[in-house]
Amino acid sequence: QITLKESGPTLVKPTQTLTLTCTFSGFSLTSISSSGVGVAWVRQSPKKALEWLAVMYWDDDRKYSPSLENRLTITKDTSRNQVVLTMTNMDLEDTATYYCVHRGTGAYEGVFDYWGHGILVTVSS
Amino acid sequence: DIVMTQSPDSLAVSLGERATMNCKSSQSILNSSNNKNHLAWYQQKPGQPPKLLIYWASTRESGVPDRFSGSGSGTDFTLTISSLQAEDVAVYYCQQYYTAHRTFGQGTRVGIK
Repeated sequence: QITLKESGPTLVKPTQTLTLTCTFSGFSLTSISSSGVGVAWVRQSPKKALEWLAVMYWDDDRKYSPSLENRLTITKDTSRNQVVLTMTNMDLEDTATYYCVHRGTGAYEGVFDYWGHGILVTVSS
Repeated sequence: DIVMTQSPDSLAVSLGERATMNCKSSQSILNSSNNKNHLAWYQQKPGQPPKLLIYWASTRESGVPDRFSGSGSGTDFTLTISSLQAEDVAVYYCQQYYTAHRTFGQGTRVGIK
């Protein structure tokens, strides 16, 4: 069974860097058998609905939202089954619930089929 | 970016009646190599993450009631709830996964009339 769980600070100040960790189970991001698997981050704010941020693939490839690319870094720690997202220079507009999402393979190729429960991050001074 | 536009923003339907919502992409999301539309529908209830309902535009996810159906191709897609139940009150989002830069529609809120 695939599960994902987000962790990190729930309150950050403007200009600070946010670091979120996704800890997952039920799949691997390490081996050839994981071909096509990815872990993505999606956020949701009242103003912007759902917004895709970044994805980390099993083969170390990564993609970023063009509008946020200069502020985002996504990495993986395969020994801990974790994917980490950092976002620099946080602003009030970045207040949102951040979700960690599994990118499916095979019959679910490319589909966001499993979602974490999300973590609400508030940006406030 | 592929822009996804949903309509209407909200709708209210009587219990047992049909609910229909639309999603339009700014360019075709039909993959000619596999003849599949890279379109998913999600249901989101308050305080919960989005839940996958439909993928490849019309394939129902395991466990999803058969009153939910998806249709369409190219740029125009529809999600239909054939007989609305109380537990279907939620916001429904479409999403394209044709490009690495995934984009979502703004959502359609479904309520009870």
